[in-house]
Amino acid sequence: NAGVMQNPRHLVRRRGQEARLRCSPMKGHSHVYWYRQLPEEGLKFMVYLQKENIIDESGMPKERFSAEFPKEGPSILRIQQVVRGDSAAYFCASSPPVSPYEQYFGPGTRLTVT
Amino acid sequence: QKEVEQNSGPLSVPEGAIASLNCTYSDRGSQSFFWYRQYSGKSPELIMFIYSNGDKEDGRFTAQLNKASQYVSLLIRDSQPSDSATYLCAVRGVGGTSYGKLTFGQGTILTVHP
Repeated sequence: NAGVMQNPRHLVRRRGQEARLRCSPMKGHSHVYWYRQLPEEGLKFMVYLQKENIIDESGMPKERFSAEFPKEGPSILRIQQVVRGDSAAYFCASSPPVSPYEQYFGPGTRLTVT
Repeated sequence: QKEVEQNSGPLSVPEGAIASLNCTYSDRGSQSFFWYRQYSGKSPELIMFIYSNGDKEDGRFTAQLNKASQYVSLLIRDSQPSDSATYLCAVRGVGGTSYGKLTFGQGTILTVHP
């Protein structure tokens, strides 16, 4: 039973480029969450999605960041015009419909902005 | 006051001892609490969750919840060097669409020395 999958595992972008991070939830899971962990900081909630719906985006920066979870395919976290401060580990988590509160994390994408 | 507070440590215990990790939270309406373990450079791994006052045991781990004191703890019995990691306390959001949001503490670094 494959866990949460994220790719790429490492991503290097120059300032001003776009970053696309992908997340495939565990089989049977329909809830997806994105978190960011900045160096020396804690894990911070960004967004909670179900298929084709954004449920809670209270942790998303107002500009440059967007997320989607289409009917088919993985969830995507998109960062436009990246800046050095976006360098962080981005984790995706998923949870099953019957227990939406138990979140299981993927391996993360380490984004480095040069 | 931070929403979720943990002693950052580091907490150092000898092999075989009991490690006690503590967490307090500010929202009195919180209902669901989680402990995650994170090895350096890895993603958080769900260890336990607890919803009701009292103790919940799973193998060498015991989670304790006291809602009146807004306090949750994790005990690790017979600590092993492989338990050396950062332990994250998380509290689930309440109200509206925030039920999917986990708020994490800064984490406690645990070192178990042989």
